[in-house]
Amino acid sequence: KAGVTQTPRYLIKTRGQQVTLSCSPISGHRSVSWYQQTPGQGLQFLFEYFSETQRNKGNFPGRFSGRQFSNSRSEMNVSTLELGDSALYLCASSPGDRGRRGYTFGSGTRLTVV
Amino acid sequence: DQQVKQNSPSLSVQEGRISILNCDYTNSMFDYFLWYKKYPAEGPTFLISISSIKDKNEDGRFTVFLNKSAKHLSLHIVPSQPGDSAVYFCAASARSGAGSYQLTFGKGTKLSVIP
Repeated sequence: KAGVTQTPRYLIKTRGQQVTLSCSPISGHRSVSWYQQTPGQGLQFLFEYFSETQRNKGNFPGRFSGRQFSNSRSEMNVSTLELGDSALYLCASSPGDRGRRGYTFGSGTRLTVV
Repeated sequence: DQQVKQNSPSLSVQEGRISILNCDYTNSMFDYFLWYKKYPAEGPTFLISISSIKDKNEDGRFTVFLNKSAKHLSLHIVPSQPGDSAVYFCAASARSGAGSYQLTFGKGTKLSVIP
């Protein structure tokens, strides 16, 4: 059973640019959540998508957005990049209905903004 | 306002001894708690969880204890092995509506098991 796949693994962008990260969940999983990990803040929740609808959102500015496709794959977009957006972005998938045992995380996309 | 706190950024333990990782929380709405383990360049992997209706859950070498009155949980690893060296994250969840379960994470504790 394939795990959660995130692409690309590494990315370097310049301030002001925008970036799109991709996440393919485990087959059959309908929920995809995104987290940002930084050394000082740990993992912080960005948003969750379930059946192509955003059903939960963290406390991040509107520059951070996402979407989910009919095959449950999800993308996250960050516009007008700032240096502080440099982080590891983690995607996690779960069945979506009784995900209380936690998610399955991907290996993440390391974004560096210069 | 940090709702889940792991006050020890790091912990060193001798191989074979017990590792105890601690976590405190402030939100009374949290009703499910999880521990994740993370190696560098990998995503966190689920380790063990506990519902708020229990005070202990055990899985092999790993035991999680929950003290609701103190809003405190701990992860015990016995015996500790060098392969346990990783960053451990405590996470808590409360139902967010529409069936969603958002996880709130602590900042992690880096465990080093010394051979």
